[in-house]
Amino acid sequence: ELKVEQNPLFLSMQEGKNYTIYCNYSTTSDRLYWYRQDPGKSLESLFVLLSNGAVKQEGRLMASLDTKARLSTLHITAAVHDLSATYFCAVAVIQGAQKLVFGQGTRLTINP
Amino acid sequence: NAGVTQTPKFQVLKTGQSMTLQCAQDMNHEYMSWYRQDPGMGLRLIHYSVGAGITDQGEVPNGYNVSRSTTEDFPLRLLSAAPSQTSVYFCASSYYQGSTGELFFGEGSRLTVL
Repeated sequence: ELKVEQNPLFLSMQEGKNYTIYCNYSTTSDRLYWYRQDPGKSLESLFVLLSNGAVKQEGRLMASLDTKARLSTLHITAAVHDLSATYFCAVAVIQGAQKLVFGQGTRLTINP
Repeated sequence: NAGVTQTPKFQVLKTGQSMTLQCAQDMNHEYMSWYRQDPGMGLRLIHYSVGAGITDQGEVPNGYNVSRSTTEDFPLRLLSAAPSQTSVYFCASSYYQGSTGELFFGEGSRLTVL
């Protein structure tokens, strides 16, 4: 059974600092996704990582995937308040369909 | 394009009542799914469908029914609501084979069972 764990679950940081959110998963998979959720809102797709070594960047966010280590990271560079949100990673169950297993989410708060 | 549309956005039920959460998408996606979101537990898959007439169970299917009579619609039925079904429900869709599998989510339906 695929299990996905994120850490930390809560992160409070200052503007201008760098930090990394980690996503570990328990069984082989070839696809990993990062989503952002603002309070009371839907989930917005940030990154789709489809192969070992994949790296995607958008603004101050960069995501990477190491399928051998079963680890993905979401790195935040020079954080700004607008990045405050909950971030989820989700891993595809390799056996079929687009079944995704989600991590618990990381609630990120960026303080001025 | 409207994307994925869910109704209602809010609903309060009494224990034992039944109801249907509606989900429609206009992107011609083959794959549709229902997730529930509870604090500290991420999103958990309830049921999914890879095309009209085809449905299957996810991680937490008990107490829920689905059907897929058209490509566009994927309703979720609560047969006899229980307080444990208090949650936020998300419908999501994507292309199926040959795609990245990226899910597109509706706005969510917040359900409270008293």
